[in-house]
Amino acid sequence: QLVQSGAEVKKPGASVKVSCKASGYTFTSYGVSWVRQAPGQGLEWMGWISAYNGNTNYAQKFQGRVTMTTDTSTSTAYMEVKSLRSDDTAVYYCARDLNYGSGSYFYYMDVWGKGTTVTVSS
Amino acid sequence: QSALTQPPSVSGSPGQSVTISCTGTSSDVGSYNRVSWYQQTPGTAPKLMIYEVSNRPSGVPARFSGSKSGNTASLTISGLQAEDEADYYCISYTSGSTYVFGTGTKVTVL
Repeated sequence: QLVQSGAEVKKPGASVKVSCKASGYTFTSYGVSWVRQAPGQGLEWMGWISAYNGNTNYAQKFQGRVTMTTDTSTSTAYMEVKSLRSDDTAVYYCARDLNYGSGSYFYYMDVWGKGTTVTVSS
Repeated sequence: QSALTQPPSVSGSPGQSVTISCTGTSSDVGSYNRVSWYQQTPGTAPKLMIYEVSNRPSGVPARFSGSKSGNTASLTISGLQAEDEADYYCISYTSGSTYVFGTGTKVTVL
């Protein structure tokens, strides 16, 4: 399972770091994708990190403002968003990605965290 | 990368079949058999329903099926049940080594 950190309230311009702790599987055999959902809106893929080698791919929209990392010693993935704006208010999900990097055969997300609500408001 | 195009809503009576389309481009849906489908009910995380175009994870009812032709993937729910009322999203891996979601479809059981 994937257990995410708790809800956050931030002011515009601040940063937020969301954690996603994995258990019940070999963390380094998979990747982690991050997906967000603004209130009343659809799902938006933000980026992916390989827990195998730390490689990342970000959606162009988030390049330079989002950083994804992992700590293999604790089987935890992190996503930091900088320079928060009001339109970053959303539920942020982490998901186990069968894509772990070069040589992967499968590309989809099968296990999801329950989501972390991030509210950006002055 | 633009979102894949899905119809905003589809509806059907119990027992009927409904099909949701997911139209992309030759850089995503048309490039690979790496399309999956997720079901989401209000306040919950998405649930995997179909992966690699047409494969069902264990525990997903057989009435859910997927297919693809060219740049368009489809999810069909045969024998619609009340519990199938939810939002459905497709997602595709892309030639840029990223993913792109569909716009989402609300399924209503009449």
